[in-house]
Amino acid sequence: IVLTQSPATLSLSPGERATLSCGASQSVSSYLVWYQQKPGQAPRLLIYDASNRATGIPARFSGSGSGTDFTLTISSLEPEDFAVYYCQQRSSWPLTFGGGTKVEIK
Amino acid sequence: EVQLSQSGGGLAQPGGSLRLSCAASGFTFGSYAMSWVRQAPGKGLEWVSTISGNGGSTYYADSVKGRFTISRDNSKNTLYLQMNSLRAEDTAVYYCARPSLIIAAADIIGGWGQGTLVTVSS
Repeated sequence: IVLTQSPATLSLSPGERATLSCGASQSVSSYLVWYQQKPGQAPRLLIYDASNRATGIPARFSGSGSGTDFTLTISSLEPEDFAVYYCQQRSSWPLTFGGGTKVEIK
Repeated sequence: EVQLSQSGGGLAQPGGSLRLSCAASGFTFGSYAMSWVRQAPGKGLEWVSTISGNGGSTYYADSVKGRFTISRDNSKNTLYLQMNSLRAEDTAVYYCARPSLIIAAADIIGGWGQGTLVTVSS
């Protein structure tokens, strides 16, 4: 299953709303996971099964979607949110990741 | 404290072999599936392999199937990745990964090792 993330880069200012998309080449039901990765660090789990926030993740992060179209929304960007975001499907093996969306400071 | 401490890696020649290790602590290692995920320099994440908690089931990406072998020693709380017939395109940071200890699903990665760089070059 191929995951396509858009846009590749999102240039926004702190306080703005970020909307990231992930499209699947076939239905993954709700088995879609989101991670955040900062430079030089390992990824961090944000959202699992499309809309469930992982432990300790702030409420400004939300996920939605099902089937083939998914969205990660950051309601108001904080300085620490500028990073690369990856989606991953767990509907079937092999697990696959999207190519990532970089959220950069405008 | 829950930790994944990786070792191994480094430089290998094309066609050569390397073994990565990942020592786990702070959780009941044998109760959880474990995975390897890699990231080529400046690129995105690529899942490599997953092994079940008892080692009875293994899964591989097509790109490494037949060349890499995942294994674990639950008595030593250690995960391994044996990499044979290495290619230049295997050059990447390799992460040892565990599930979220709360969700406990093998395919939702909740924790990562520090990563180890594998470079395949002559």
